[in-house]
Amino acid sequence: GAVVSQHPSWVICKSGTSVKIECRSLDFQATTMFWYRQFPKQSLMLMATSNEGSKATYEQGVEKDKFLINHASLTLSTLTVTSAHPEDSSFYICSASSGSGNEQFFGPGTRLTVL
Amino acid sequence: AQSVTQPDIHITVSEGASLELRCNYSYGATPYLFWYVQSPGQGLQLLLKYFSGDTLVQGIKGFEAEFKRSQSSFNLRKPSVHWSDAAEYFCAVGYNQGGKLIFGQGTELSVKP
Repeated sequence: GAVVSQHPSWVICKSGTSVKIECRSLDFQATTMFWYRQFPKQSLMLMATSNEGSKATYEQGVEKDKFLINHASLTLSTLTVTSAHPEDSSFYICSASSGSGNEQFFGPGTRLTVL
Repeated sequence: AQSVTQPDIHITVSEGASLELRCNYSYGATPYLFWYVQSPGQGLQLLLKYFSGDTLVQGIKGFEAEFKRSQSSFNLRKPSVHWSDAAEYFCAVGYNQGGKLIFGQGTELSVKP
């Protein structure tokens, strides 16, 4: 299957700072990328869907000004958590698809801890 | 609204025993159904998927799942569990193969020696 990477795999930051997480499709062109958040012992909750070159579509309840998503190329999407607070501590997982009708591939996740 | 329910939060089985993880969904149309496995601190790995056709689908690692439209279920099975199968299992529903997914709550599988 196709490979999706995330960087960093874990990050610790101070409250009030911003953190950027990268999601890359290594061997295919990802026209669509998804960002999920997973709290401990809970399921994955979709945060937003991004299509290359377009603004991301955010799920209800997700603050678009706090979670900035950029999908500027067919192999890279970034999620920036702005002014992070301890409640933003979570496991962030991205996935990528080469288009409608094609399988979604998941990255290994990024563990964010906000002190 | 679409939803996915995994009734069992935690299941423990003995190594070598059979396994069935339950998944029920609420969906207005014929769904795309998926089972994923997640090891601690890791991303998700696709075990199998159903789109159409034969309602019994085979996946990786010896897993299979059966789609039952009348019961709105897509239960995951394995005839003989291995210790390495201990992980979190998620059932998911989607509009299509590449569209957004709705995940169940997950079932944590423990395997006794």
